Amino acid sequence: DADVTQTPRNRITKTGKRIMLECSQTKGHDRMYWYRQDPGLGLRLIYYSFDVKDINKGEISDGYSVSRQAQAKFSLSLESAIPNQTALYFCATSDSSGANEQFFGPGTRLTVL
Amino acid sequence: GEDVEQSLFLSVREGDSSVINCTYTDSSSTYLYWYKQEPGAGLQLLTYIFSNMDMKQDQRLTVLLNKKDKHLSLRIADTQTGDSAIYFCAESGGSYIPTFGRGTSLIVHP
Repeated sequence: DADVTQTPRNRITKTGKRIMLECSQTKGHDRMYWYRQDPGLGLRLIYYSFDVKDINKGEISDGYSVSRQAQAKFSLSLESAIPNQTALYFCATSDSSGANEQFFGPGTRLTVL
Repeated sequence: GEDVEQSLFLSVREGDSSVINCTYTDSSSTYLYWYKQEPGAGLQLLTYIFSNMDMKQDQRLTVLLNKKDKHLSLRIADTQTGDSAIYFCAESGGSYIPTFGRGTSLIVHP
């Protein structure tokens, strides 16, 4: 079974709709991240959390919110989706010890019409 | 803020060596990483190097770090078609938040 899972894997929605993307991990890591990937732009950090009660904005947090319900779960919400939020979204985890290498989920492809 | 730069494309012939280069600006970088992304998948860590090291070798992969010039490279020996993917360079410093480059698309042709 995958260590980092994301649901849904694909989603098509309309402008103005509220969308939630879920991430779960079984690695026991304390740190979790949400990124978006756009062609030619690489990965950009949206939000990150170092613990259950810790939420931090990343480079491009406007239009997004997150919730860390438990150590294993980190969800990303788009309160009112807009077309330029069409992208590939990745969740990642890392451990606070060691080299802080990140483990990524398979991604969610979101299309906002 | 910190910046990580890498070329967008590299094309090599099967069996040749591939060298993907990366430069970064954060002088407090502690760890530098190489990730691989295959089509339709998330990023997967290939290798990382601690900033006090010059070189790290792992089977066909060789990482070279020139800390003075803030230059990192990934060499893949005997490149195969299965190595075709996007390769991301990343660095993390005191904040432990990695900064990623835009990725280099490696195309391996027969």
